[in-house]
Amino acid sequence: AQSVTQPDIHITVSEGASLELRCNYSYGATPYLFWYVQSPGQGLQLLLKYFSGDTLVQGIKGFEAEFKRSQSSFNLRKPSVHWSDAAEYFCAVVPLLDNKFYFGSGTKLNVKP
Amino acid sequence: GAGVSQSPSNKVTEKGKDVELRCDPISGHTALYWYRQSLGQGLEFLIYFQGNSAPDKSGLPSDRFSAERTGGSVSTLTIQRTQQEDSAVYLCASSWGERDTQYFGPGTRLTVL
Repeated sequence: AQSVTQPDIHITVSEGASLELRCNYSYGATPYLFWYVQSPGQGLQLLLKYFSGDTLVQGIKGFEAEFKRSQSSFNLRKPSVHWSDAAEYFCAVVPLLDNKFYFGSGTKLNVKP
Repeated sequence: GAGVSQSPSNKVTEKGKDVELRCDPISGHTALYWYRQSLGQGLEFLIYFQGNSAPDKSGLPSDRFSAERTGGSVSTLTIQRTQQEDSAVYLCASSWGERDTQYFGPGTRLTVL
């Protein structure tokens, strides 16, 4: 079955530590790929997106993500996490022959002082 | 400019009542999506409007759910004979076109007693 998988439901990191959030998909041909963040009480905000070209994309708030075709992955990274990054992060996929966004179940990030 | 707005922000209703949720997309956006986010879950696609095309209703969970979009702008999601399992946050998003970045509203939190 086609799916978007975020295997980590909760992650806790210390402030200043590096972060990697995993996202895997199973939609065949390279889809459009997105990462969104949902802060407590806030709407979803786009962090970054990948359509084609350079497989390492830069986003807002110091985030980046790398598309790896061979692994069907689009992992989100940040070199140094800030307390304000505590939020829920969603990976989303738009398959090649579809117009719908398919979201992962999200990863909740907790940042320890 | 103004973002996507949704009203009401919170709605508490009794089981069996009908509810209407409203979404005002960003002006000029031709695509509009409705999602449902249940506690601890990812985003579940409900329905998608694109311009004057027939909406994609493939995500509506039952015939109690319906949506319309008037004049290519405002959209209303209607849930008839609400059930307790309908309790969730209902999110609306709009975009310039198909497969483009979606901009989300703050959501309507629906509680069915």
